[in-house]
Amino acid sequence: QSALTQPRSVSGSPGQSVTISCTGTSSDVGHYDYVSWYQQHPGKAPKLMIYDVNKRPSGVPDRFSGSKSGNTASLTISGLQAEDEADYYCCSYAGSYTLVFGGGTKLTVL
Amino acid sequence: QVQLVESGGGVVQPGRSLRLSCAASGFTFSSYALHWVRQAPGKGLEWVAVIPDGGTNTYYAGSVKGRFTISRDTSKNTLYLQMNSLRAEDTAVYYCARDYGDYAGPDYWGQGTLVTVSS
Repeated sequence: QSALTQPRSVSGSPGQSVTISCTGTSSDVGHYDYVSWYQQHPGKAPKLMIYDVNKRPSGVPDRFSGSKSGNTASLTISGLQAEDEADYYCCSYAGSYTLVFGGGTKLTVL
Repeated sequence: QVQLVESGGGVVQPGRSLRLSCAASGFTFSSYALHWVRQAPGKGLEWVAVIPDGGTNTYYAGSVKGRFTISRDTSKNTLYLQMNSLRAEDTAVYYCARDYGDYAGPDYWGQGTLVTVSS
């Protein structure tokens, strides 16, 4: 199972919006509505930000939103804040009880 | 609140074995599937294995299949990962994580335990 494809890095200024893409195949992202997104600060465990493509867990700001089109899922962060600077990973169910993660995207808030 | 606490990491020689544990609390342990996910130093997340709530079947990434065994003890609310025939490329922080439903992915994660495979 190959890793999902994410851009290595994205950046934006405070208050702006950024979108991180996550490209898979018709066997994972394109086949299941089970895409999740995780935020990871240095030295910390990942934190669930989006699940089932576009659902937000309790406590996650509504500045974070998810979507999917075909084999590509996207995470959009609007109204960027300094504390959003972190690594972001997408994850998709890939069938047969397996998961596949993206390579990760480093978000820099300028 | 949901808590997952890993232990058992350390330095081990190539070819040797190690068993990781993950103590769970704050939720009904027997009702959730559980994952192990690892992260090599400076690298991304890699899914390792999952065990369903009933624990009857287990599923693995190709990179560890046949070498690693995931198991759970409901009486102790503990998840395990038995790692055999360890290789340098198994060096990583290993996280246990609770599945949020339908094996679709983790919601809560532990803090991780570092495994270093080196001679």
